[in-house]
Amino acid sequence: DAGVIQSPRHEVTEMGQEVTLRCKPISGHDYLFWYRQTMMRGLELLIYFNNNVPIDDSGMPEDRFSAKMPNASFSTLKIQPSEPRDSAVYFCASSETGAKLHEQYFGPGTRLTVT
Amino acid sequence: GEDVEQSLFLSVREGDSSVINCTYTDSSSTYLYWYKQEPGAGLQLLTYIFSNMDMKQDQRLTVLLNKKDKHLSLRIADTQTGDSAIYFCADGPGSTLTFGKGTMLLVSP
Repeated sequence: DAGVIQSPRHEVTEMGQEVTLRCKPISGHDYLFWYRQTMMRGLELLIYFNNNVPIDDSGMPEDRFSAKMPNASFSTLKIQPSEPRDSAVYFCASSETGAKLHEQYFGPGTRLTVT
Repeated sequence: GEDVEQSLFLSVREGDSSVINCTYTDSSSTYLYWYKQEPGAGLQLLTYIFSNMDMKQDQRLTVLLNKKDKHLSLRIADTQTGDSAIYFCADGPGSTLTFGKGTMLLVSP
């Protein structure tokens, strides 16, 4: 398996623009997680899905952030409008149900810079 | 998990042992994890320990768990320059994980 795939790897945008980050989880994994990593706050869980259904979005900073999972192999995280304080590395991770539920596999991340 | 604390930085010489420490607050944690993040990459699961265990050894890695004190440690024997990375402790009572802020390990030749 290719592992968790994220695109783009780097994104530079201007304040006010819409940003869409993409993730393809490992085939067969039922859980998908979106994290944000900054120096100040470390790794924060934004939202997670189980079988394409959002389970907990309490980590989403505000209404400017939205996430979807239209099918088992694709998820998006959208920021509209983007702000400089959204600059961070965004990670997607997936895991499977059962005994290995807690073993999360991370993608390489998308480094977002909002100017 | 509720809160996971780690020291931010550790520097060792190649060949020495490294010990990275972590404390957590959630007593219902079922598993505790160590993840490694190399520069420009995502987190990679290194090892984990079930909460009813005291110790787990995996090649150069030894995980010690003191459940009474809610203290977890990762010992890396014969540390190599390739071990330089950020190490994250995480706990997970449910389907989600709570991560510490990570400990940057710098291994000098």
